[in-house]
Amino acid sequence: DSGVTQTPKHLITATGQRVTLRCSPRSGDLSVYWYQQSLDQGLQFLIQYYNGEERAKGNILERFSAQQFPDLHSELNLSSLELGDSALYFCASSVGTRGDEQFFGPGTRLTVL
Amino acid sequence: GQNIDQPTEMTATEGAIVQINCTYQTSGFNGLFWYQQHAGEAPTFLSYNVLDGLEEKGRFSSFLSRSKGYSYLLLKELQMKDSASYLCAVDTNAGKSTFGDGTTLTVKP
Repeated sequence: DSGVTQTPKHLITATGQRVTLRCSPRSGDLSVYWYQQSLDQGLQFLIQYYNGEERAKGNILERFSAQQFPDLHSELNLSSLELGDSALYFCASSVGTRGDEQFFGPGTRLTVL
Repeated sequence: GQNIDQPTEMTATEGAIVQINCTYQTSGFNGLFWYQQHAGEAPTFLSYNVLDGLEEKGRFSSFLSRSKGYSYLLLKELQMKDSASYLCAVDTNAGKSTFGDGTTLTVKP
């Protein structure tokens, strides 16, 4: 158990819908990272927040957005869902911002039908 | 852009040593991560190299050559539980990480 929690574990929805994935970092960690892992594109970095502020942005689509709240939990919002958005979404946390060990949550498996 | 190459699959024998290579071409390189991922599970952090050289951590070591755009992960005294996918990822100055496609290592008795 990494100490990072993600909800829900599984999510099945239809194209065009909007979903919110939630992540609670390990106690004391200020950074939260979001990743997408699909069979055809591997693991992709989406976005990082540090202490409530966006710190780094990866290949995150405009239909996706994220935020980190004052209690440091984070949410990833996915809208206008497409079949290709079906993937495993991981959240990770770390103490600092660069090069620190990242602890991954168990992931949310999103299926878009 | 980023270009990261690592072998797709490797096989090794229990108790042996295996080296997984990763080459990269990138702008704004800051460091290189190695992760282990067992099938159906989340990735686990193994190492982060910023400076050239070898860093050892138990049975696992990671090497980086910034001038050559090259890194390797060395696994010693292989155990069956080391069968997993190993991902290298380049970290840039902008804080963006780009992952290779991963190397699936199979350890045989």
